[in-house]
Amino acid sequence: GAGVSQSPSNKVTEKGKDVELRCDPISGHTALYWYRQSLGQGLEFLIYFQGNSAPDKSGLPSDRFSAERTGGSVSTLTIQRTQQEDSAVYLCASRQGADGEQFFGPGTRLTVL
Amino acid sequence: GESVGLHLPTLSVQEGDNSIINCAYSNSASDYFIWYKQESGKGPQFIIDIRSNMDKRQGQRVTVLLNKTVKHLSLQIAATQPGDSAVYFCAEARGNNDMRFGAGTRLTVKP
Repeated sequence: GAGVSQSPSNKVTEKGKDVELRCDPISGHTALYWYRQSLGQGLEFLIYFQGNSAPDKSGLPSDRFSAERTGGSVSTLTIQRTQQEDSAVYLCASRQGADGEQFFGPGTRLTVL
Repeated sequence: GESVGLHLPTLSVQEGDNSIINCAYSNSASDYFIWYKQESGKGPQFIIDIRSNMDKRQGQRVTVLLNKTVKHLSLQIAATQPGDSAVYFCAEARGNNDMRFGAGTRLTVKP
């Protein structure tokens, strides 16, 4: 594939609704990360998948956030009962192995009204 | 908690000049450091990395310097071009999954 893709590119939702964000990593990349970037801020680590290992969920800010990675490829980040403070750009990145460069997708801009 | 480059400074340079972007990190256990460039509306793009057993690493027009004594990382861009205008993030990693990013520095290149 050409690179990491994410969908949708923009999502506007109402407070209290659930949203699902999708990430398609580069084919063959075993590592997948989710980050959150608030306006003018750095990247906040959310969750990390590596192969068949249990994901590292240590960055998830609350139990409203969850993520899955099916078949070691596509990942979905789900935010339940969205709050206004969830508004941010959600970035996905993949990496070929356990080390080295991460390749980022373009992000999903989430706006919670 | 640990912090990496929490400030978001801005840097304005003249086209053709060299740029130096600085970053402070706080965890001496970090063993891998990366610089990313993020253009408006895009995801971060890897520029260069360095391991903690090195002090300097050079790429094409970029050099990363690591000073472990004062926990300082810098990115030097030679002959800065308008296309270099972006936000630059430093990141530190401890192990394979624990990568922490700073807030970034906005570089503006004046023609």
